Amino acid sequence: GQQVMQIPQYQHVQEGEDFTTYCNSSTTLSNIQWYKQRPGGHPVFLIQLVKSGEVKKQKRLTFQFGEAKKNSSLHITATQTTDVGTYFCAGRSSNTGKLIFGQGTTLQVKP
Amino acid sequence: GAVVSQHPSWVICKSGTSVKIECRSLDFQATTMFWYRQFPKQSLMLMATSNEGSKATYEQGVEKDKFLINHASLTLSTLTVTSAHPEDSSFYICSARDPGKVNEKLFFGSGTQLSVL
Repeated sequence: GQQVMQIPQYQHVQEGEDFTTYCNSSTTLSNIQWYKQRPGGHPVFLIQLVKSGEVKKQKRLTFQFGEAKKNSSLHITATQTTDVGTYFCAGRSSNTGKLIFGQGTTLQVKP
Repeated sequence: GAVVSQHPSWVICKSGTSVKIECRSLDFQATTMFWYRQFPKQSLMLMATSNEGSKATYEQGVEKDKFLINHASLTLSTLTVTSAHPEDSSFYICSARDPGKVNEKLFFGSGTQLSVL
């Protein structure tokens, strides 16, 4: 079945360093969403990308959707301790319409 | 913004008993709600799609007689874990989309941590 692979699984950075998580789908996506889950909390929607090659920014966060609409990335510039949490991508299959979550990347930031 | 309320937040039960988890959309009507299961430090696995007024759609490998879903109104879906066993211990979380919004984002409940003794 369709899979959405996300790497890395864990990332520890020093406060101020950059961070990137990547998602790859085995099939073409109609859109991709990103969520953040704080420790002990529930996922919260960050953004949705729809267009091929789309780039969106939210302050220090930059989201990209690949030209082939099969991969995406989230880049955080100059991480802060408030960025701690698990970041999930979720791709919507062009074939089935189902939203499939990646495994998540857990970010730890050392002050 | 739209809010999805889920309760209980945590429940401990004896093996063999049934547990009901409620998921409510507080300021929008959700014709569809989604139930996920999340193991520690793992991703969200879709269990089933709850459809108001009709039968739920279960993902492959999820026992529909084990995980009963009822979506009796446009604002409430329930998941009942029947005859729970220790292997059912997990974090269960529901979500819904606001059909009034163009954006397809999901609003998640706060989740229910189930521990079966």
